[in-house]
Amino acid sequence: EVQLVQSGAEVKKPGESLRISCKGSGYNFANYWITWVRQMPGKGLEWMGRIDPSDSYTNYSPSFQGHVTITADKSLASAYLQWGSLRASDTAIYYCARHTIESSGLAGGLDPWGQGTLVTVSS
Amino acid sequence: DIQMTQSPSSLSASVGDRVTITCRASQTIRTYLNWYQQKPGKAPNLLIYDATNLQSGAPSRFSGSGSGTHFTLTISSLQPEDLATYYCQQSHGMVATFGQGTKVEIK
Repeated sequence: EVQLVQSGAEVKKPGESLRISCKGSGYNFANYWITWVRQMPGKGLEWMGRIDPSDSYTNYSPSFQGHVTITADKSLASAYLQWGSLRASDTAIYYCARHTIESSGLAGGLDPWGQGTLVTVSS
Repeated sequence: DIQMTQSPSSLSASVGDRVTITCRASQTIRTYLNWYQQKPGKAPNLLIYDATNLQSGAPSRFSGSGSGTHFTLTISSLQPEDLATYYCQQSHGMVATFGQGTKVEIK
């Protein structure tokens, strides 16, 4: 079974750093792009960026560029989303999702999705 | 960035009704358009990819159409379990974007 399992919920203070993870199983992790999506409380889905785990090539939304970093370690079959300095406005659920078409960041959709990681940033 | 505009933002329909949701792109995206269903408290689930292709496991009452800038998601016969928010997503070019979502309620 193809599956993405994300790390657990986090509670942080503004200014702190954080890295959350997304571990893939049931497939060759290096061959499928991973996308990260934010969902703020009661709001819609926001595309943050994506990574090709085979060479760590990334694309970012301008809305998130410079504030978050997306990385991957294909030897651990894991992708990561990290912040150097959190803000209260980063409070949200973060999802990772796998692209359905091998070696493509464009065609196909996102499936499966991880279960989501709730990040709460509060002083 | 390519902007995606969904309509309506919400709708209420009866079981058995035919429901149509529209998504418009600010520029052509060919057929790089996907549809997702998100039930309350759950992760999104892929329904339609590349505008018209039904994802494996998705019910056949869901269908997608369109190309270029105008796309539709149709539920041929609304079921109680279709209570959810539906999102379109374009994946053309370097930056992908989601529509703002359409909340579907059952009368």
